Amino acid sequence: ILNVEQSPQSLHVQEGDSTNFTCSFPSSNFYALHWYRWETAKSPEALFVMTLNGDEKKKGRISATLNTKEGYSYLYIKGSQPEDSATYLCAFDSNYQLIWGAGTKLIIKP
Amino acid sequence: KAGVTQTPRYLIKTRGQQVTLSCSPISGHRSVSWYQQTPGQGLQFLFEYFSETQRNKGNFPGRFSGRQFSNSRSEMNVSTLELGDSALYLCASSFGGNLFTSTDTQYFGPGTRLTVL
Repeated sequence: ILNVEQSPQSLHVQEGDSTNFTCSFPSSNFYALHWYRWETAKSPEALFVMTLNGDEKKKGRISATLNTKEGYSYLYIKGSQPEDSATYLCAFDSNYQLIWGAGTKLIIKP
Repeated sequence: KAGVTQTPRYLIKTRGQQVTLSCSPISGHRSVSWYQQTPGQGLQFLFEYFSETQRNKGNFPGRFSGRQFSNSRSEMNVSTLELGDSALYLCASSFGGNLFTSTDTQYFGPGTRLTVL
């Protein structure tokens, strides 16, 4: 059974601090890895889709890296702001299956 | 450009009943996917429709079904509801590269919160 693990499950970060969290996925039959942000009372919103080992993507203060050989991706947020509070989801795309992690809930403390 | 819309937003049903949820994709999007989300679980993929045909299917029992119309709007139906079907049901649309072999971005609707009593 293919499984995607995200850690930590939740995270409290002081405003202004930087943080990162992990998405672990099977290292075989990899096609793509997706990151989404899901704010409370809103719809999940796509952040990145990553396909190549060593890929690094950036959008403003948020960046992500990908290691397909060892099966993990990191999401980094630099200088956290209150609007970064959300659940961050990753999804592993492999061989006609799209498997989602349970998410990391990020709470920014002012 | 209008986003993905889902109706109804909230629904309360009793065990044994059936329910139909509706999803209108972004204009121009031909692929619609359905997901179930329960507390503490990742999104569970139900099925994906493209050009009125079910193209991909997750591991859900036959009580869960769907269809897509010529205007790309999609419905999903759950028959003989069980307590465990209580969940947030999300639909997502994309232009239509195959869900699992393209890097098409999916755009999600706000979801329908189904409660089964």
